[in-house]
Amino acid sequence: QVQLQESGPGLVKPSGTLTLRCAVSGGSISSSNWWTWVRQPPGKGLEWIGEIYDSGTTNYKPSLKSRVTMSVDKLKNQFSLKLKSVTAADTAVYYCARLFWSGQISWFDLWGQGALVTVSS
Amino acid sequence: SYDLTQPPSVSVSPGQTATITCTGDKLGEKSASWYQQKPGQSPVLVIYQDYKRPSEIPERFSGSNSGNTATLTISGTQPMDEADYYCHAWDSSSLYIFGTGTKVNVL
Repeated sequence: QVQLQESGPGLVKPSGTLTLRCAVSGGSISSSNWWTWVRQPPGKGLEWIGEIYDSGTTNYKPSLKSRVTMSVDKLKNQFSLKLKSVTAADTAVYYCARLFWSGQISWFDLWGQGALVTVSS
Repeated sequence: SYDLTQPPSVSVSPGQTATITCTGDKLGEKSASWYQQKPGQSPVLVIYQDYKRPSEIPERFSGSNSGNTATLTISGTQPMDEADYYCHAWDSSSLYIFGTGTKVNVL
């Protein structure tokens, strides 16, 4: 059974860089899936951040594109998120999730437990 | 940008039917999925490709999508179904969009 687990600092200073990793266990990251990051500010809804394929191909939410970088490490079976120049508005629970996408059909079928990241000095 | 709008809350008595709507321009021409999120937990996929249900999801959850509205229906609602529900669709310009979310209260 495939599982996802986020890890990373829970506190980041304003203007700093948020870095999170998502470990894939029970299966291979090279399994013809897209791997994504979704965040949820406290008390608010879900926001898609970006996706990465095991080949390294990425797509990012247009409004975050200038600050986001995603990467994949096949040897460690994990993928990562970097969000630079963070502000308090980036405080959220960050989820990694597995995405199925095919010709405009998509769904997120597996989610990590989430990692709360607070941006504060 | 493409937006998906949901009612903020829906209230239902135990055993009754809860109906949650998700509205977007020509949403029926897209594929919708639905997620259940209980407090402090991660979202869980309950409906994909408009009406399909993962094997572990109870049959009381069903979905449809037509025109500008996708609908999640919970038949015979149970207290354990109290949660936030989010719809999702893919759009060529906005990519992956989530709805505004609906809190289902089982009273």
